[in-house]
Amino acid sequence: DTEVTQTPKHLVMGMTNKKSLKCEQHMGHRAMYWYKQKAKKPPELMFVYSYEKLSINESVPSRFSPECPNSSLLNLHLHALQPEDSALYLCASRGLAGSYNEQFFGPGTRLTVL
Amino acid sequence: AQKVTQAQTEISVVEKEDVTLDCVYETRDTTYYLFWYKQPPSGELVFLIRRNSFDEQNEISGRYSWNFQKSTSSFNFTITASQVVDSAVYFCALSDAIQGAQKLVFGQGTRLTINP
Repeated sequence: DTEVTQTPKHLVMGMTNKKSLKCEQHMGHRAMYWYKQKAKKPPELMFVYSYEKLSINESVPSRFSPECPNSSLLNLHLHALQPEDSALYLCASRGLAGSYNEQFFGPGTRLTVL
Repeated sequence: AQKVTQAQTEISVVEKEDVTLDCVYETRDTTYYLFWYKQPPSGELVFLIRRNSFDEQNEISGRYSWNFQKSTSSFNFTITASQVVDSAVYFCALSDAIQGAQKLVFGQGTRLTINP
């Protein structure tokens, strides 16, 4: 299984809602990533988890809250978002053992904040 | 600081033409890694290739080929006999991390349209 899955595929939420994005991989990868991608722009790194511990937070606003409950799962909890947070949210994973490894990306969640 | 420049914002060609996507990078590190990713309209970034800074061998994979030249800090990507399915946004990326978090520095991307 060489796949990263993300749910939901699309999400529409109001500014007062609380929602969560989910990412899952079964490749045994121990690094997992959240990226935000606006239209016609490259992905921007938000968070990195290594061995289930948060290792990088790219100064992301606290209305985005990541969680890594185990080595296969990565969540992104959303609360009180703004319309400018509307974007494609991509998850990626990467193996940390052995030789250098690349990141594998999921299909993303298209988020619209009304 | 690291930087990746993809000067071609959009390219449009007719099917079966060859097309080259340019990528120029900047880094002060002696060890670094370069990548190409493809992003079709569905949104998923698809890994195409990784190249280490100490390996300047060019690579060919079917209709795809990559030309890595450290002397000009370039890592260009050529599609031979392009097909409509090659239409996508292509990102070149750079990383200096051997282990750990591996932060990728992406170029702005090149939108490639292959017309039938």
